[in-house]
Amino acid sequence: DGGITQSPKYLFRKEGQNVTLSCEQNLNHDAMYWYRQDPGQGLRLIYYSQIVNDFQKGDIAEGYSVSREKKESFPLTVTSAQKNPTAFYLCASSSDRAYGYTFGSGTRLTVV
Amino acid sequence: AQSVTQPDIHITVSEGASLELRCNYSYGATPYLFWYVQSPGQGLQLLLKYFSGDTLVQGIKGFEAEFKRSQSSFNLRKPSVHWSDAAEYFCAVGRHSGGYQKVTFGTGTKLQVIP
Repeated sequence: DGGITQSPKYLFRKEGQNVTLSCEQNLNHDAMYWYRQDPGQGLRLIYYSQIVNDFQKGDIAEGYSVSREKKESFPLTVTSAQKNPTAFYLCASSSDRAYGYTFGSGTRLTVV
Repeated sequence: AQSVTQPDIHITVSEGASLELRCNYSYGATPYLFWYVQSPGQGLQLLLKYFSGDTLVQGIKGFEAEFKRSQSSFNLRKPSVHWSDAAEYFCAVGRHSGGYQKVTFGTGTKLQVIP
């Protein structure tokens, strides 16, 4: 079955480290997205990508970076510049032919 | 700018009782509206969506939602709640923008189901 795979499910980061969250989809979707979820704040858009080798900042891009070298993959790097990275991170994708996102199961990042 | 308000942070209902979760949106044109459900530690699953046509939309797991343009609302309903419906529910408004969909989510309503 097609879907989105996020890994790892849990990730721990030390202060000053960069970490990379993986997101892979086999839905043949063109657009992919990264959201951050904090309790009581809903989902906030970090970055999105419409096509390979192109991506745009969302509402809270500071301290994050992405790449889109393949259609199937959209990894997110949380850099040391992100001062409060502890959160639940969700990857999603969408198609031009249907409305709505398909989500991965998320990665919970904790700073230790 | 588009926005979504879910006025209820937390709702508790008894198993077998009816449910209505409120959602109000702000958008300048005909919106695309969604309801998603999230179990703890999981991603979001699409329950239903509206973008045109019949204003009463049926979704998965026995849920339905009604689009009321005059009230800018898209409330989610279920006639009889099951214990497995306990989760967090997100309303969202979106639009196509070139090759991607710009979706704005509400802050969520956490549903507790008591026996």
